[in-house]
Amino acid sequence: QKEVEQDPGPLSVPEGAIVSLNCTYSNSAFQYFMWYRQYSRKGPELLMYTYSSGNKEDGRFTAQVDKSSKYISLFIRDSQPSDSATYLCARGSTLGRLYFGRGTQLTVWP
Amino acid sequence: DGGITQSPKYLFRKEGQNVTLSCEQNLNHDAMYWYRQDPGQGLRLIYYSQIVNDFQKGDIAEGYSVSREKKESFPLTVTSAQKNPTAFYLCASRNRGNEQYFGPGTRLTVT
Repeated sequence: QKEVEQDPGPLSVPEGAIVSLNCTYSNSAFQYFMWYRQYSRKGPELLMYTYSSGNKEDGRFTAQVDKSSKYISLFIRDSQPSDSATYLCARGSTLGRLYFGRGTQLTVWP
Repeated sequence: DGGITQSPKYLFRKEGQNVTLSCEQNLNHDAMYWYRQDPGQGLRLIYYSQIVNDFQKGDIAEGYSVSREKKESFPLTVTSAQKNPTAFYLCASRNRGNEQYFGPGTRLTVT
């Protein structure tokens, strides 16, 4: 069983839509969670970082963690064409290791 | 400007040759990481280093080697023993708050 499972998509939405990206994880040890955005042929860019269950908001982005069901989500409000990218979820553990999902490819069309 | 630099951006090599990828950071981070990314796959950890002169194997270390002689630098050598070296290689460093930041990547093509 993979550490982090993520539906690769692709996901295609119209501009202005609310986007929901989801991952599940399998390990219950000490952990924290990250979402990265990766444009084609570029390095991943850290979007959101959270330790605890609940919601964390940053502008149009909301990260949600449900540790009881081992489920993490990223919501993008008022999506823009510039949000078109691959979104990677990751679970962090001791020693700073990150376990990544496969990434979800998102296209926002005007 | 603080950040992580990787060079070169594109690298072409013939099969059987060793090649070294550069990674430098000026963020004063102790921990550094090397990942490999293949199309349609997430990032897989090759090697990581928590501190100078120390490093550990990740999940796919076979055919790779690293060194960590300076805090700022963590070069990765892809050896001829690596069966499928063509990939996108990403270097990262981590701050004390566990936030991990990535460089722009090196795309290696071996023919």
